[in-house]
Amino acid sequence: DAGVIQSPRHEVTEMGQEVTLRCKPISGHNSLFWYRQTMMRGLELLIYFNNNVPIDDSGMPEDRFSAKMPNASFSTLKIQPSEPRDSAVYFCASSSSKSYNSPLHFGNGTRLTVT
Amino acid sequence: GNSVTQMEGPVTLSEEAFLTINCTYTATGYPSLFWYVQYPGEGLQLLLKATKADDKGSNKGFEATYRKETTSFHLEKGSVQVSDSAVYFCARVKTTGNQFYFGTGTSLTVIP
Repeated sequence: DAGVIQSPRHEVTEMGQEVTLRCKPISGHNSLFWYRQTMMRGLELLIYFNNNVPIDDSGMPEDRFSAKMPNASFSTLKIQPSEPRDSAVYFCASSSSKSYNSPLHFGNGTRLTVT
Repeated sequence: GNSVTQMEGPVTLSEEAFLTINCTYTATGYPSLFWYVQYPGEGLQLLLKATKADDKGSNKGFEATYRKETTSFHLEKGSVQVSDSAVYFCARVKTTGNQFYFGTGTSLTVIP
């Protein structure tokens, strides 16, 4: 079991640049979640997908953020343009909605620094 | 709003001390409950879970019992080790659907 795979592990970019974070969920999982973690706000849910369809994006901070899931094995979170306040660790997680008690499985995160 | 409330940290203990991290939840019905652990530089990992009232989840010496009377799921360990230093998150699943609600996390540092 390869687990949830995120890339890159670290990203340093300048303000105004576009940033794309990538996630490969666990094979067979049909729910995918993007979280952001900061010291100030803790763990925040940004968006989640069921069967590749966005279900709840109310946590997406603003229009600069967008997420896609073109197929069951890949998702992206894009920030354009990036700002220093976007600096955080971004986690992707997956689970199976077919089982009510299925836990979330997290990737190791992408640490984003916007200067 | 957040329906999981856990003990504020940080917590600092000496090795072999007893650990309790309190967690309470609000929900309609009886959602599954979880404890996750996050080691430095890593993502959250499932530590243990309980799916119904009076269930006890256990793993790596940690335990938590699902108490519906007090809507609590407190994490305990009888003798902590330096390697247990991490941030611990209590969580519950939404009773309709598979969205999760997380507590704010409790940082634990165990000193030799």
